[in-house]
Parts: sequence; C-alpha cells; structure tokens
Amino acid sequence: LAKTTQPISMDSYEGQEVNITCSHNNIATNDYITWYQQFPSQGPRFIIQGYKTKVTNEVASLFIPADRKSSTLSLPRVSLSDTAVYYCLVGFSRDNYGQNFVFGPGTRLSVLP
Amino acid sequence: DSGVTQTPKHLITATGQRVTLRCSPRSGDLSVYWYQQSLDQGLQFLIQYYNGEERAKGNILERFSAQQFPDLHSELNLSSLELGDSALYFCASSVETESTEAFFGQGTRLTVV
Repeated sequence: LAKTTQPISMDSYEGQEVNITCSHNNIATNDYITWYQQFPSQGPRFIIQGYKTKVTNEVASLFIPADRKSSTLSLPRVSLSDTAVYYCLVGFSRDNYGQNFVFGPGTRLSVLP
Repeated sequence: DSGVTQTPKHLITATGQRVTLRCSPRSGDLSVYWYQQSLDQGLQFLIQYYNGEERAKGNILERFSAQQFPDLHSELNLSSLELGDSALYFCASSVETESTEAFFGQGTRLTVV
C-alpha cells in the first residue's frame, strides 16, 4: 500500500533550523520525493525535490538516506513567515497505469517569535 | 502567481446536482493533475491527463470524470453530489509526463448543501 506519513505538527522559534521527516516505506527505485508548502486558502507551493542523498536550493535542503524509506526536509533559520503546512509527496510507480501521487498528511509548522 | 488558473473560486450547490470545475494550466505545460483536499482525507490525487489523454487515476469516484481539451485546459465534472464531496479541488500542471514537481492553482472551494 502506497503511503506517506509525517508528524502532524511542530513548533519552532525564529532563527532555528527545522527538520521535518516523512516516511515512505514502499518507495520504488525510480520514485521521486517532493516537498510542498501550503498557506491557508492557497494551493501547495513546490519547495524541493530529490531522488537520493542530498539536494539543496535557496530555501531548503532535502536529505534522503540510502534506503530511501524516509526523507527529511530541512529549513534553515526559519522566520514567522515560514508558518505553514508542509507536505511530502511521492509519485509511487505502478506497473500498469502511471504513477499514484500520494501526499503525506501534512506537518503544521508554527514559528514563534 | 503559479500561472495555473482555476474557475470558479467558490461554488455552492445542492445535493444531487452536477458541477464542472475548470483549469487552465501554465503556458507550455502538457500535464494536468486534479486533487481533492478535505479536512478528513487530506490531499488526494484524483486523476492526471497528459496532452489530452488520461495518464493515471487515483482515488477518483465513478461519479467524477475529467477531460483535457486540445487547447490543454481541463475540466473536472462532479455529478450526483453528496455532502461529503464538499472540499477544495486543486488543479496542478507540469511540463513532464509524470512529475511530482507541479504548479498548483488557487483551487475551487465546493460546498454541497
């Protein structure tokens, strides 16, 4: 069963580094892991995508261990504006019919002053 | 602004009715994805089209259908509506055939009364 899990909520203070982990046990060799940010009443916004090891862009890093059964989104020095819900997404391969795009339940990050 | 346009933004209708949600993808994107977001189910993948053809199906009910037209815009048709169909419906688009890196619209909030 294709499934992704992540913590429901996290609190942090401004200026701290935040790490959010997602579990995706049934990931296949070629499946990508992607993270999105969502603010209230808006559509999810792409943050970062990775396949293995480590990916970094101007806003976040994504760490993926060798077994790829989990991934960690790292947000350096968060600010109040980073308060949002963060989702992991895996496009699970299927033999006969395209990919099944499965979002995690989302992690509600609250950044406190 | 993601470049993905969804109309209408809000829709209120009665049980048993039929509605059509419309999505215009980003310029140049050939793939369109439909997602449903509700409080109890989270973000659920419904269906994907690529260049006019159905590419993948997720948890889409038989009462729901979609299509992608030659100009690449897409429509999601919801029929025999039930109270439980009340949700945010998002459309996303990407350049590639199958991609977890997609751009989301602002969504259509459907309320069934």
